[in-house]
Amino acid sequence: GDSVTQMEGPVTLSEEAFLTINCTYTATGYPSLFWYVQYPGEGLQLLLKATKADDKGSNKGFEATYRKETTSFHLEKGSVQVSDSAVYFCALSNAGGTSYGKLTFGQGTILTVHP
Amino acid sequence: DGGITQSPKYLFRKEGQNVTLSCEQNLNHDAMYWYRQDPGQGLRLIYYSQIVNDFQKGDIAEGYSVSREKKESFPLTVTSAQKNPTAFYLCASSIATSDTQYFGPGTRLTVL
Repeated sequence: GDSVTQMEGPVTLSEEAFLTINCTYTATGYPSLFWYVQYPGEGLQLLLKATKADDKGSNKGFEATYRKETTSFHLEKGSVQVSDSAVYFCALSNAGGTSYGKLTFGQGTILTVHP
Repeated sequence: DGGITQSPKYLFRKEGQNVTLSCEQNLNHDAMYWYRQDPGQGLRLIYYSQIVNDFQKGDIAEGYSVSREKKESFPLTVTSAQKNPTAFYLCASSIATSDTQYFGPGTRLTVL
């Protein structure tokens, strides 16, 4: 079945540092890939998505590129802020047959940014 | 404002009791979903519904039940058969032609 693996956390950075959170996936066909962010005590917010190979999703300074050859969708940001502290989830959707719309999630990576 | 609402935000239940979590959306979305989140783990799908009066089991449906009598509403009942119900429950919705899901704020259920 489909699966998503994220880098182990937690990740702790100083403000303005460069961020990378690794995400790799296993899936048949051509899934859509997502990054969601969860702030403490809240639901998930869509951060960015990509639907086909070599697509780059971007939002709020975050970027991720759909790499089919390495089955990866790593999240990057050039300069993190304290307000970026949250849990980040990588996910995929393999909309085929009866599993239309189902999201498969990684385990989440906790990011803490210090001033 | 359009969005997804879940109530209550916190819920406490005694062992052996059934409890129902509410999820309402005014986005006119066709599909709705329930996920469970445990500490240090990703979200796991409990049930989903693509149209009114129809729903399918997800990966961890045992001990849960749902109904979809209206397009806007998708309540989840946690029954006494669910052996470890303490968790954070998230509802989501999407339109029929997109695989992007939008999430509510969640309900934290604690069994006392």
